[in-house]
Amino acid sequence: AQSVTQPDIHITVSEGASLELRCNYSYGATPYLFWYVQSPGQGLQLLLKYFSGDTLVQGIKGFEAEFKRSQSSFNLRKPSVHWSDAAEYFCAVGVRSGNQFYFGTGTSLTVIP
Amino acid sequence: EAQVTQNPRYLITVTGKKLTVTCSQNMNHEYMSWYRQDPGLGLRQIYYSMNVEVTDKGDVPEGYKVSRKEKRNFPLILESPSPNQTSLYFCASSRTSGGGTDTQYFGPGTRLTVL
Repeated sequence: AQSVTQPDIHITVSEGASLELRCNYSYGATPYLFWYVQSPGQGLQLLLKYFSGDTLVQGIKGFEAEFKRSQSSFNLRKPSVHWSDAAEYFCAVGVRSGNQFYFGTGTSLTVIP
Repeated sequence: EAQVTQNPRYLITVTGKKLTVTCSQNMNHEYMSWYRQDPGLGLRQIYYSMNVEVTDKGDVPEGYKVSRKEKRNFPLILESPSPNQTSLYFCASSRTSGGGTDTQYFGPGTRLTVL
């Protein structure tokens, strides 16, 4: 069965510091990969996605993610975090052969001044 | 404005009292889906629909029903709600179906409490 692991439940970073959120997936082939952000009390918004091609993808709000097939990972990065980035971040996998999505358990980001 | 709407946003009910949470999208999307979000578990897919009259189970379908009689609407029905269905529910839609190729657009969520 497919699964998505986000090993960090909660991360705290200082404003201006760099950020990396980890995501590992378990799937027999290359899946479609997504990162979503959920601000408090809001729905989910897509940050970026990977389908194929260049393994480094750029998203909105200055985020990027790198797909590493050998590590089954799709880590999210941002070089300089802003206070408004405080939110919950979800990695998700779309199965190519079906129509289901699998989300990780999320990483909650706190940004301190 | 392109959007996914859900109603109600908040609902407190009692065990066994049938309820429906509505979901509507104005983007002419083929694919629609329901998720529940629980602390420590992330989002889990309940049901999805690839088009009108085409629905299928996700990971946690027990205790839920759905229907897709019109392209824009995808209601979630709890025939006999139980306390373990207390959760935050999200509806989502995407332009096409098939392997997660399209971005999903999420509604604002419905917080359901079953007493």
